[in-house]
Amino acid sequence: AQKVTQAQTEISVVEKEDVTLDCVYETRDTTYYLFWYKQPPSGELVFLIRRNSFDEQNEISGRYSWNFQKSTSSFNFTITASQVVDSAVYFCALSERTGNQFYFGTGTSLTVIP
Amino acid sequence: DVKVTQSSRYLVKRTGEKVFLECVQDMDHENMFWYRQDPGLGLRLIYFSYDVKMKEKGDIPEGYSVSREKKERFSLILESASTNQTSMYLCASSLGGIMNTEAFFGQGTRLTVV
Repeated sequence: AQKVTQAQTEISVVEKEDVTLDCVYETRDTTYYLFWYKQPPSGELVFLIRRNSFDEQNEISGRYSWNFQKSTSSFNFTITASQVVDSAVYFCALSERTGNQFYFGTGTSLTVIP
Repeated sequence: DVKVTQSSRYLVKRTGEKVFLECVQDMDHENMFWYRQDPGLGLRLIYFSYDVKMKEKGDIPEGYSVSREKKERFSLILESASTNQTSMYLCASSLGGIMNTEAFFGQGTRLTVV
């Protein structure tokens, strides 16, 4: 079974629009960690954020914000006032306390149209 | 700055060749990973290593082997390359231990098997 689901395969928005990327995860561990990565056209995955399962506080970093809700097993990522440089593939990932692995979703390809 | 370096950005190999993909990290990380990325499938774990000479199979180990003789270096080996192994290969490392810290990725190797 897929541990991380990113149902949105591709999203296109016009520059300056807000966009939310969805991530739903599945785990039986009570301690786990969630991550978001950005993969620009150059190919290298860039780490954006890490959250642990005990910290449900939403986080904001500039135009980026993350909404973690344990009740719905979701860890959604919002980009406010999108820019062309935000065009990339975004991956959500899960790491469980009981293992060393990272489980990645299939990614969401975001295109920001100027 | 943390650094994960993959030996080649692009490789073209012939069917049946033995192929070595090399990855080096300079962060003294315990864990190292090899992923394969294909369109629509996201990142799939091939193998990971949590210590020198230790390895565990990931989701798609068939046709691959790995070697970790030194902490900083993790090699992926295609014993007899086939066209269905044409893909983007990503190496990553993470601190390990109980912290479940984020993984850092190399720039990727795009392998074409002809």
